[in-house]
Amino acid sequence: AQSVTQPDIHITVSEGASLELRCNYSYGATPYLFWYVQSPGQGLQLLLKYFSGDTLVQGIKGFEAEFKRSQSSFNLRKPSVHWSDAAEYFCAVGLRGTGNQFYFGTGTSLTVIP
Amino acid sequence: DVKVTQSSRYLVKRTGEKVFLECVQDMDHENMFWYRQDPGLGLRLIYFSYDVKMKEKGDIPEGYSVSREKKERFSLILESASTNQTSMYLCASRAAGALFSTDTQYFGPGTRLTVL
Repeated sequence: AQSVTQPDIHITVSEGASLELRCNYSYGATPYLFWYVQSPGQGLQLLLKYFSGDTLVQGIKGFEAEFKRSQSSFNLRKPSVHWSDAAEYFCAVGLRGTGNQFYFGTGTSLTVIP
Repeated sequence: DVKVTQSSRYLVKRTGEKVFLECVQDMDHENMFWYRQDPGLGLRLIYFSYDVKMKEKGDIPEGYSVSREKKERFSLILESASTNQTSMYLCASRAAGALFSTDTQYFGPGTRLTVL
C-alpha cells in the first residue's frame, strides 16, 4: 500500500545536539517531498521541499533534508538544535500526476531539553 | 504576507448539532483543502476544491460536506456532529499550476472542535 512513514513518534534531544528525523515513502514513482513544522497551537509551516535536481535541499531555520532514491527516504536534519525547535514535524508527499493531493506522515514530536 | 484564517480556534458543540467551519484565504488561490489532524494519524484529507463550486472527496469524507461559493472561502460542514468528529481541523490553500511546481500549501492555524 502507498504510504508515508515517520517511524519515530517522539524524539528528545539536548539543545545544541544534532537532529535527524526520518521519513520514508512507498510510492511507485518519485514524489514531490515536503517537511512541515507545527508549533503548539499553530498551523503547519513549510520548512523545505524537494521537486527535482540537487538531492540535498536547504530550508528555513537551519534545516536541511536529503532525498535518497535508493532508500525512498527524505530525512530532515539540523546540525545544532535550539529550544525553539521543539514542535511537531510532518513529512508529506505529493504524487506526480495527481495534481492536488498531499499525503502526510503521522508526525514526529520533538522535545528539546536544556 | 500569505494568510489563511479560520473562523474559530476553539469550538465546543453537542452531538447532533450542525457545525460550520469557515476558512478564508487572501492569496487568490484556486485550490483549498480541509484536513483533520488526530494524534498518531497525522493529517487526513477530508475534501478539497480546485475552483469555485467544485469539490472533490478526500480520504475521509464521510460525515462531512463542503461549500465553495466564493474563491476565497471554503466551508466545512458537519451535518450532524458526532463525538468521533472531535479533532483538530486544518484548512489549507495552494495556487493552481503545473502540479506542485508552484507554491506549496499554506495552512491556517486550525480549529480544535470538541463534540460533547
